[in-house]
Amino acid sequence: AAGVIQSPRHLIKEKRETATLKCYPIPRHDTVYWYQQGPGQDPQFLISFYEKMQSDKGSIPDRFSAQQFSDYHSELNMSSLELGDSALYFCASSLGRGPYEQYFGPGTRLTVT
Amino acid sequence: ELKVEQNPLFLSMQEGKNYTIYCNYSTTSDRLYWYRQDPGKSLESLFVLLSNGAVKQEGRLMASLDTKARLSTLHITAAVHDLSATYFCAVDMRDDKIIFGKGTRLHILP
Repeated sequence: AAGVIQSPRHLIKEKRETATLKCYPIPRHDTVYWYQQGPGQDPQFLISFYEKMQSDKGSIPDRFSAQQFSDYHSELNMSSLELGDSALYFCASSLGRGPYEQYFGPGTRLTVT
Repeated sequence: ELKVEQNPLFLSMQEGKNYTIYCNYSTTSDRLYWYRQDPGKSLESLFVLLSNGAVKQEGRLMASLDTKARLSTLHITAAVHDLSATYFCAVDMRDDKIIFGKGTRLHILP
């Protein structure tokens, strides 16, 4: 079965640079979620989209923005990168918003030097 | 604000032993998840618990949910080294976000 696809899988950036992470949900899934997991930490919810509209927002820095496109893929744009942004970024998708199981992608490991 | 507390956070145990990981949460929720994560890897869904009294088993792992007590347990029977990983419980907020516990880092000694 098709799973959530994230690209790139690994990304190295310098401080103050920008980064774009991409997420392709499971086919027919219309809801995408982004989570950030720092080293040794639990995943923290950043933002979610349902039918191309932002549906909820968590602890996402103002330097980050995201959107969902007409084909339901989503991109997380990160600017003015800081060392503390180094983390695993997970995308998850579900069929519908609300209490539907979220399926997680493999993650993008971002390292900021 | 929903809080999800797991304990213990670290667990080192011998192969063949049994143990239980506890997950308490602070507000009403109808859905609780258990995930496994190996170092640097994604979150692997183990169990989805939907209702009070739900019990699910897969191999040496069994999960249960008591929504009245706001408590879920993950029981490990006759542990084997391959079960070494970090286990997260997570609670559905009934909107979009899932709130994770801090995780239990399980190390099983041969």
